[in-house]
Amino acid sequence: RKEVEQDPGPFNVPEGATVAFNCTYSNSASQSFFWYRQDCRKEPKLLMSVYSSGNEDGRFTAQLNRASQYISLLIRDSKLSDSATYLCVVNSDPFALNAGGTSYGKLTFGQGTILTVHP
Amino acid sequence: NAGVTQTPKFQVLKTGQSMTLQCAQDMNHEYMSWYRQDPGMGLRLIHYSVGAGITDQGEVPNGYNVSRSTTEDFPLRLLSAAPSQTSVYFCASSPLSAFRDEQYFGPGTRLTVT
Repeated sequence: RKEVEQDPGPFNVPEGATVAFNCTYSNSASQSFFWYRQDCRKEPKLLMSVYSSGNEDGRFTAQLNRASQYISLLIRDSKLSDSATYLCVVNSDPFALNAGGTSYGKLTFGQGTILTVHP
Repeated sequence: NAGVTQTPKFQVLKTGQSMTLQCAQDMNHEYMSWYRQDPGMGLRLIHYSVGAGITDQGEVPNGYNVSRSTTEDFPLRLLSAAPSQTSVYFCASSPLSAFRDEQYFGPGTRLTVT
């Protein structure tokens, strides 16, 4: 099983639609969760962190379900400009990265979900 | 601030050639890393550094070397290029204290090995 798994899509939705992506992770000790956005042939950029209580940023809502080990991203009122690849990122191994005895974890990326919003 | 810069943007190598991908950041970040991105695979960590003089291997380190002589620069060296190293390479940085938060990525280097 992959450490972080996403449905690659593509998701094709009309403007104004609501779309949701899920991402599952295998390591129950994972501590931090993020959604990044990557435009075609560009670098990934942080969209939002995912907090235990769930969080919202405008039209975007992120949720975490620790019991089932998945995170989700909901986009409401889709815009053409939302077309991109959405990457799920998990800080998956709290013991993997050390500097002077401090563990920083390991960031693991999902393969990304492609979203296309059409007129 | 320029953020994270990478050069070159594109490179074509022949099998067996060596080269260095450059990465620099002007944000005084302690943590820097190199990823490669291949279709259907997500980003995979090659090497990382938590400060000048400190580097370590990531998930896919074979065929690559790094060094960190200054806080700003983190070059990635391909020792003897192979077609399997055809990929898009991203450098990223973050403050170590905020490692669990935002990673800042450079624009990427698209490498083709023939």
